Amino acid sequence: GAGVSQSPRYKVAKRGQDVALRCDPISGHVSLFWYQQALGQGPEFLTYFQNEAQLDKSGLPSDRFFAERPEGSVSTLKIQRTQQEDSAVYLCASSLSGNTIYFGEGSWLTVV
Amino acid sequence: GDSVTQMEGPVTLSEEAFLTINCTYTATGYPSLFWYVQYPGEGLQLLLKATKADDKGSNKGFEATYRKETTSFHLEKGSVQVSDSAVYFCALMSSGGSNYKLTFGKGTLLTVNP
Repeated sequence: GAGVSQSPRYKVAKRGQDVALRCDPISGHVSLFWYQQALGQGPEFLTYFQNEAQLDKSGLPSDRFFAERPEGSVSTLKIQRTQQEDSAVYLCASSLSGNTIYFGEGSWLTVV
Repeated sequence: GDSVTQMEGPVTLSEEAFLTINCTYTATGYPSLFWYVQYPGEGLQLLLKATKADDKGSNKGFEATYRKETTSFHLEKGSVQVSDSAVYFCALMSSGGSNYKLTFGKGTLLTVNP
């Protein structure tokens, strides 16, 4: 597709359940990012990949959060043992070079 | 660390009114500055950007000028339309070692009434 694609768009998880969120970046984009957007807040950086290498994971809030991009294209953000405070929109973004970053529509996670 | 402070909303205007959304930043060095827009039910879209002092970014009638002396990047539009109703986010990208990471403000909800 033309843009960054994320799935699922909406996910309701029971507390303690594991979830996996998928991101398909724009074809050929080297850089991939994950952001977390809480209700009424701006997005906050979680992690950054350049090809398959995870160069920065400083924004991941706990060791329950894990991201991978094994072949340098599709990425998965996994959240283990979800908690209510994990409820947020998870945004994936990609970039070819420079500082123009393209965002997907987000995966809305609600933990009940 | 880097931070962005933008005008709290919500902002409600009538069609054809003048819009200003204030944004100031704190950063070391010379960051790049951005405005992103989020329409209802859609993802973040880049609206405009400026990469150095005194640069003016513009798109779809919106403008913002990078003012280093006041560390500001205020968004303006001379005549808003109902279709401009959205959440607007100011953001910066550091020029230092983390020159890939966007730092966002909290967003400003704009509603334009006919």
